[in-house]
Amino acid sequence: ETVLTQSPDTLSLSPGETATLSCRASQSVGSSYLAWYQQRPGQAPRLLIYGASNRAPAIPDRFSGSGSGTDFTLTISRLEPEDFAVYYCQQYGSSPPYTFGQGTKLEIK
Amino acid sequence: QVQLQESGPGLVKPSETLSLTCTVSGGSINSYYWSWIRQPPGKGLEWIAYVYYTGTTTYNPSFRSRVSISVDTSKNQFSLKLTSVTAADTAVYYCARRANYFYNMDVWGKGTTVTVSS
Repeated sequence: ETVLTQSPDTLSLSPGETATLSCRASQSVGSSYLAWYQQRPGQAPRLLIYGASNRAPAIPDRFSGSGSGTDFTLTISRLEPEDFAVYYCQQYGSSPPYTFGQGTKLEIK
Repeated sequence: QVQLQESGPGLVKPSETLSLTCTVSGGSINSYYWSWIRQPPGKGLEWIAYVYYTGTTTYNPSFRSRVSISVDTSKNQFSLKLTSVTAADTAVYYCARRANYFYNMDVWGKGTTVTVSS
C-alpha cells in the first residue's frame, strides 16, 4: 500500500498570501496518477489538480501542482477567502488502487 | 453535465447490511469506472471499491469480504453493499466517477450520511 503523508496538518495564512502544501508518498507514484482535491465544510471533495500538474476545468490559475516520484506540492497563490478549506492528495497505484493523504487544513490567520 | 446522487437509509443497525445506490444523470454510465468513497466524521477520505460499467470490480482489501459493488446500466445506477456493519462504518458515503486517462475522481456526488446505531 502506498501511504501518502501530507504536511503540514494545519496551515494558517492570511488572504493574499501563498500556500505551499506537501504530499509525500511511501513509494514512487506515477505523475499521471497524483491528484489534489479541495473540500469545503459540508461539501464533497472537488478535483483541483490531476496528473500532478494539470488544473481541472474551471479551477483558477492561482492553483498549481508540481512534483514527481515521492514528493508532490500544491501551491495556491494570492489566497482568496474561499480557498480556506481542507486539501487532500490522492494516488492511483498498487493495492489498494487508491489512497488519500490525511489532509491539510488551510485556515485563516 | 454529469451529476451523481447517492440514496439509501441514513440509519443502519449494527450487524446489518448497509445498502446505497448512486444514480448517474446527465450522461451515460457506460465507458467509465465508478467508485464509492467514505469519510468518517472529522476524518479523511477512504476509497472502498470501484466497478466498471461491464461489471468488473476492484475492492479495498481493508474491507475484506464485507463489501460488494454492482452496476445496473439499464438504470444508470451502481450500488454498494457493506455487511456486518459496526459503529466504525458511520460515515458520509460518496459516489464518484473515475476519469478515463489520469484515473482521478472527476465527478462526485454530494454524499449521504450513514449512521450505524441501534
